[in-house]
Amino acid sequence: SSELTQDPAVSVALGQTVKITCQGDSLRIFYASWYQQKPGQAPVLVIYGENMRPSGIPDRISGSRTGNTASLTIAGVQAEDEADYYCNSRDRTGSHLLFGGGTKVTVL
Amino acid sequence: QVQLQQWGAGLLKPSETLSLTCAVYGGSFSGYYWSWIRQPPGKGLEWIGEINNIGSTNYNPSLTSRLNISVDTSKNQFSLKLRSVTAADTAVYYCARHGGGEDCGSTSCSFYSYMDVWGRGTTVSVSS
Repeated sequence: SSELTQDPAVSVALGQTVKITCQGDSLRIFYASWYQQKPGQAPVLVIYGENMRPSGIPDRISGSRTGNTASLTIAGVQAEDEADYYCNSRDRTGSHLLFGGGTKVTVL
Repeated sequence: QVQLQQWGAGLLKPSETLSLTCAVYGGSFSGYYWSWIRQPPGKGLEWIGEINNIGSTNYNPSLTSRLNISVDTSKNQFSLKLRSVTAADTAVYYCARHGGGEDCGSTSCSFYSYMDVWGRGTTVSVSS
């Protein structure tokens, strides 16, 4: 399969932990990268590689991978974490990029 | 700090050619791929294609027949042309820097890639 599959939406209470998953065959070879996008803004890289964060991304945001599933975990969720989150990786050939359909995180 | 500045026509008629350019400021142009990504209104991100500093390209298979991505290293710019546009090409178009590497353990390697710098996006509408 040349797709990345994400759940469309998830809700989480303020201060709790949320885990977003991304499933795809290419994730056995390529780590996922994760992007946060707020309305009207460009996406922002939050996680890449095994669990690497760009400068300025808080350490309560983390990533992991098991088999063909990548996960993004946000601990101690804050109101500012409400956004769409997209996973991304190359396909199995390495020649093309794939995006998951995105997960909308709502903070209650 | 690397910045991407993008520009191009925002309103097109069906069958015309979409043309966008992205300029790279404040960093090296080599050693990366440079991607175009789009987002239709209310929908998710779609990768369009990428190019590196020597002009090697990879395209989304669904767009290959209409797509051309080129690079001008003398200006640190790369450009997108999408021919024969329709209303389905209406979207916000982003340019982005694309890096990557490999992480090897004792028995195998995994590869990673990431888009760490993005342009602000250009809204393109196709309407008759």
